[in-house]
Amino acid sequence: DQQVKQNSPSLSVQEGRISILNCDYTNSMFDYFLWYKKYPAEGPTFLISISSIKDKNEDGRFTVFLNKSAKHLSLHIVPSQPGDSAVYFCAASPYNQGGKLIFGQGTELSVKP
Amino acid sequence: DVKVTQSSRYLVKRTGEKVFLECVQDMDHENMFWYRQDPGLGLRLIYFSYDVKMKEKGDIPEGYSVSREKKERFSLILESASTNQTSMYLCASSPPGGGTQYFGPGTRLTVL
Repeated sequence: DQQVKQNSPSLSVQEGRISILNCDYTNSMFDYFLWYKKYPAEGPTFLISISSIKDKNEDGRFTVFLNKSAKHLSLHIVPSQPGDSAVYFCAASPYNQGGKLIFGQGTELSVKP
Repeated sequence: DVKVTQSSRYLVKRTGEKVFLECVQDMDHENMFWYRQDPGLGLRLIYFSYDVKMKEKGDIPEGYSVSREKKERFSLILESASTNQTSMYLCASSPPGGGTQYFGPGTRLTVL
């Protein structure tokens, strides 16, 4: 069973507008969430994270929101740039499992000029 | 700056061959991980290791084994490669207690 789900395989956004990528999870024992960005033929790079004790974390153009009651997190990119075009993975870390991460399926973001 | 390197970017092997994928990290991290990435399936954990000479099965360990003889090096072994093991293989490391994992560039393995 998929404990972390990204239900949108792809998203297309105009340059300068907001990109919103969504992620749902089922396990209430997840205590840390991360977003990674991946370009083709490269490894994923860490983007932003959030602890389960917070509901928002911001880093420049990137903001992650966590809604624990809905078991939902989202990544907002404002403003979107063509260089943001990549596959975005959300990941969740189960409490007390020493750093193991469970990844979603990924959402491919395309930012058009 | 964390650096995780993988021995090959692209690899082509034949069915039945034994395949070794090497991963080295230079940040003295205790935790190391092997994933495979397939379209529509995300990253799936194959094996991980919390320390030298120890290993734990991930979600899809069948057909794979691992070796961690030194802290900085974590090897993935395909005992007898099969076509369904054609995939992108990604290695990662993280400090003790978890948190952010740092990934290598990946190895695109094709098994013919």
